[in-house]
Amino acid sequence: DTGVSQDPRHKITKRGQNVTFRCDPISEHNRLYWYRQTLGQGPEFLTYFQNEAQLEKSRLLSDRFSAERPKGSFSTLEIQRTEQGDSAMYLCASSLSGQLYGYTFGSGTRLTVV
Amino acid sequence: AQKITQTQPGMFVQEKEAVTLDCTYDTSDPSYGLFWYKQPSSGEMIFLIYQGSYDQQNATEGRYSLNFQKARKSANLVISASQLGDSAMYFCAMREGGGAGSYQLTFGKGTKLSVIP
Repeated sequence: DTGVSQDPRHKITKRGQNVTFRCDPISEHNRLYWYRQTLGQGPEFLTYFQNEAQLEKSRLLSDRFSAERPKGSFSTLEIQRTEQGDSAMYLCASSLSGQLYGYTFGSGTRLTVV
Repeated sequence: AQKITQTQPGMFVQEKEAVTLDCTYDTSDPSYGLFWYKQPSSGEMIFLIYQGSYDQQNATEGRYSLNFQKARKSANLVISASQLGDSAMYFCAMREGGGAGSYQLTFGKGTKLSVIP
């Protein structure tokens, strides 16, 4: 297992378009998290799943953002009707519940909205 | 109030010297964990070191050590014998609570470290 994979690495889209990002966690990890990182800031928590259940989604930035993890393995993050302010790095991480610090991040998807 | 404060936007260190990156935190939860991550220009967040609030000893991992001063609520990262490859952004983060519901990391704004040959 090579770690957390995110696809694509970079995405350029026109304002108003929908985009979807994929995250493949470490296979034995049952928790999956999405974070957003804007320029000059640390990552900001968006949502998390335990297996296929989305246990926290109140931090999603607006109703244009949604995430799924249908079979408890990979996850997708969708942004509808993108705005320039959505330009950021979107990071995925995974962990095993009960582990204090086994939190592994992927390399992120950098979104640019033009 | 910010939960994690990193007051040094940028730091320079000479190769082979030691450097300390500052981090202070704010929480009323007695159980918490503190993390340091390195983020090179490639974007990946690389875990460096972890300190639990109940740990008696300061954490160490190779060239990284965490100077944990609980009463002052500080968790400074010390990098010994700096290498050119250490040039990156460094983030301090905290997870509050020790139960099964503890999941979210709160990050500081980071410190950009530049190692000079």
